[in-house]
Amino acid sequence: DAGVTQSPTHLIKTRGQQVTLRCSPKSGHDTVSWYQQALGQGPQFIFQYYEEEERQRGNFPDRFSGHQFPNYSSELNVNALLLGDSALYLCASSQGTSGRGTGELFFGEGSRLTVL
Amino acid sequence: GEDVEQSLFLSVREGDSSVINCTYTDSSSTYLYWYKQEPGAGLQLLTYIFSNMDMKQDQRLTVLLNKKDKHLSLRIADTQTGDSAIYFCAELRAGGFKTIFGAGTRLFVKA
Repeated sequence: DAGVTQSPTHLIKTRGQQVTLRCSPKSGHDTVSWYQQALGQGPQFIFQYYEEEERQRGNFPDRFSGHQFPNYSSELNVNALLLGDSALYLCASSQGTSGRGTGELFFGEGSRLTVL
Repeated sequence: GEDVEQSLFLSVREGDSSVINCTYTDSSSTYLYWYKQEPGAGLQLLTYIFSNMDMKQDQRLTVLLNKKDKHLSLRIADTQTGDSAIYFCAELRAGGFKTIFGAGTRLFVKA
């Protein structure tokens, strides 16, 4: 049973460029959340996708956008990259709607983005 | 405020108990979690507690929850060198969509 997979694992971009990160959720999961983890910090919630819609958003600018596909996989797009966007981007999948289950998140190993 | 707070570092000797503390933010959070992150890896759920409980024990792990003070703790008995990692406290906000993490506590276990 494949867990959460993310690609690419590492990438380097320059300021002003755009980046797309990809995530395949754990089998049986329909909800994908994206987090940004700066060095030495905890994961910061970017947004969550369910049924191909953005269900909730954290305190991130509109340069951060996403998409969820019918097969539940997801993309995170960041436009007009800034140096401060350098971080580990984590995708987490979970199951079902609120009120069911424990809300456990299953994380991928992340995509490490360096902006020069 | 928005932040889940936890101390940044803890150092213990192998065989001792470790206690990691956390203060969370939302009294209506439904689940409280402890996640573990090893170097170069994503986070993995270690244990969780539902908000209507005050204690949960799972082998070497004991979670204590004080809802009045919004305080969560994780005790690891007989700490081993393999327990060296970063431990994140997290809360599932009411509504069930958003899990908020603390900055993590780095646990160092000395042989």
